Amino acid sequence: DQQVKQNSPSLSVQEGRISILNCDYTNSMFDYFLWYKKYPAEGPTFLISISSIKDKNEDGRFTVFLNKSAKHLSLHIVPSQPGDSAVYFCAATGGADGLTFGKGTHLIIQP
Amino acid sequence: DTGVSQDPRHKITKRGQNVTFRCDPISEHNRLYWYRQTLGQGPEFLTYFQNEAQLEKSRLLSDRFSAERPKGSFSTLEIQRTEQGDSAMYLCASSPHTGTAYEQYFGPGTRLTVT
Repeated sequence: DQQVKQNSPSLSVQEGRISILNCDYTNSMFDYFLWYKKYPAEGPTFLISISSIKDKNEDGRFTVFLNKSAKHLSLHIVPSQPGDSAVYFCAATGGADGLTFGKGTHLIIQP
Repeated sequence: DTGVSQDPRHKITKRGQNVTFRCDPISEHNRLYWYRQTLGQGPEFLTYFQNEAQLEKSRLLSDRFSAERPKGSFSTLEIQRTEQGDSAMYLCASSPHTGTAYEQYFGPGTRLTVT
């Protein structure tokens, strides 16, 4: 049973536009959420996180929104750049233990 | 400022052989994690250390797998009697012990191929 779901395996966005990546979770014990970016043959790189006490966190071009009642979070990238093309993973945790990841969304930024 | 390092980056082994991977975390990070990632999946948690204590093991960590962090610094993951199903990317991550922030920083991974 997947506790963190990313239902879009891929997403194509034009350069300069907004990219929106979505993630749903089922475990009510999760209270901290993270987004990672991964290039081929590299480990995941931490992008941005959000605690369940907040509903928005912003860092430069990246903003994460959390809707606790819907158990949904999203990552907004504005404006999208060619270097943003990668696989994006949503992850969740209830504390200092292991992260639970989704299967990832492959973001393709088209020129 | 060095990140998490893993050695080797690639390992090809024959079924039935033992393999050992090493992870060096970011210095002064007291939490260290091992994950496994297969094609088309996200990383899956295997085990976690706080300093030298192994605090949690996933049910994915069969008895052929053992992990150690003897001095609370680097860690090793050993797989005994490898099987083809063990072929995957093995990722290590570390995290500082700071309040309620749970960011983990990953190394480049060790890709294991069992033939």
